[in-house]
This record gives sequence, C-alpha cells and structure tokens, in this order.
Amino acid sequence: EAQVTQNPRYLITVTGKKLTVTCSQNMNHEYMSWYRQDPGLGLRQIYYSMNVEVTDKGDVPEGYKVSRKEKRNFPLILESPSPNQTSLYFCASRDRGRETQYFGPGTRLLVL
Amino acid sequence: AQTVTQSQPEMSVQEAETVTLSCTYDTSENNYYLFWYKQPPSRQMILVIRQEAYKQQNATENRFSVNFQKAAKSFSLKISDSQLGDTAMYFCARTPLLGGSQGNLIFGKGTKLSVKP
Repeated sequence: EAQVTQNPRYLITVTGKKLTVTCSQNMNHEYMSWYRQDPGLGLRQIYYSMNVEVTDKGDVPEGYKVSRKEKRNFPLILESPSPNQTSLYFCASRDRGRETQYFGPGTRLLVL
Repeated sequence: AQTVTQSQPEMSVQEAETVTLSCTYDTSENNYYLFWYKQPPSRQMILVIRQEAYKQQNATENRFSVNFQKAAKSFSLKISDSQLGDTAMYFCARTPLLGGSQGNLIFGKGTKLSVKP
C-alpha cells in the first residue's frame, strides 16, 4: 500500500530534550516536506527536500533541522524543543511533475 | 504575500442538503494548482479535489465539486447530499507553478463543517 508513515504518532517531552520524528514514504517520491498545524493558523511548511541531500527552509524553520540521506526518509529533528513547538506535525511527499501531495497520519507533540 | 483566505471558520448543514465552503487567494502567477483537503477527527489529511488553474472546467469528484473563478481568485467547494461522514475541518490550499517554491502548499486557516442528522 502506497503511504507516508510517521513515528511516533504521539509524543510528550520536556523542554530541551532532543527528539526526532521520523517520516518514510514508499512511493519513490522525490519531494518531501514537513508542516506544522496550529489552531487558527492552518498548516505551515517547516522544511522541504527536493531530493537526497537537497533541503531548504520553508516558512517556519526556526528550531528545526532535517536531513535527507535516503530518498524514502525525511526525519524532523528538534535539537532543543520548546513549548512553542507544541503542535501537530505532518510529513508529506509528492512525485516530480505531480502537484498532489500525500500526507502522513500526523504526529502530535507536546513540549512541557 | 501569498495568502489563502477561508472566511467561514465554522459552518453547519443538515444531512442530505448542500453546502458551499468559500476560499479566495492571492497570486501573481498565471498557472497554479488549487486543492481542498478534508481533515476528519482522526486528523488525517485527505485530498478531496484538485483544480488546475489553466483548466476552465470545474473539477468534480462524486458529491464534491468546485466553482473556480480565476479572475476573481475564488475557489469554493460545494458538497451535495451532505453525509454525517463529511463532518470535518476543510482546508483550501494552493501551490504555485512547479519549480517556483518547490510545491509548497499554502493553506487557508480552515472551515469546520458539521453535518447534523
């Protein structure tokens, strides 16, 4: 089944404790993105990647890092999480030449 | 600034009736894509319908159709024969021409739709 997976789905952590949210897609898509969703703000792009080893900032990159060492994986790294990063996070992917993005199930993060 | 505006934070409709969700957007480009995504209580983002700006014909998917007015930069979603399972948050989104911003989806703030029995 073609899908985007994220882990963990739910995470509670404390300020300053590094964490990684994994994202994997099995559709051989070149483009991958991370979004965060906050009430009243819709979804905003954090980082995106056009291919392996090619990443760039989206609209709200502060406090986040990403890497793209393999085509299928695009982990989101919070080196020192803060409470304002409490949010619902989505990973998405799409194929080159295709506009439709496919979303993962979301990761709900709470930073205390 | 590229923006997508959904002016109705919340709406409700009776089961089996028709409802229209509004969306307007800013763009200086001639070609782009527009989407409606549905987010049920499970939080999954589900693509409902998409429209390519260079196509005049309005997209339809079963009970879902759009009214795309390019000159007015308007992209409304019509849901016919509303069902209880249509209860969800609906997001309008757009993306510029491929290669512009690498397909960054720009989302509106959402419309919460409740279908009442």
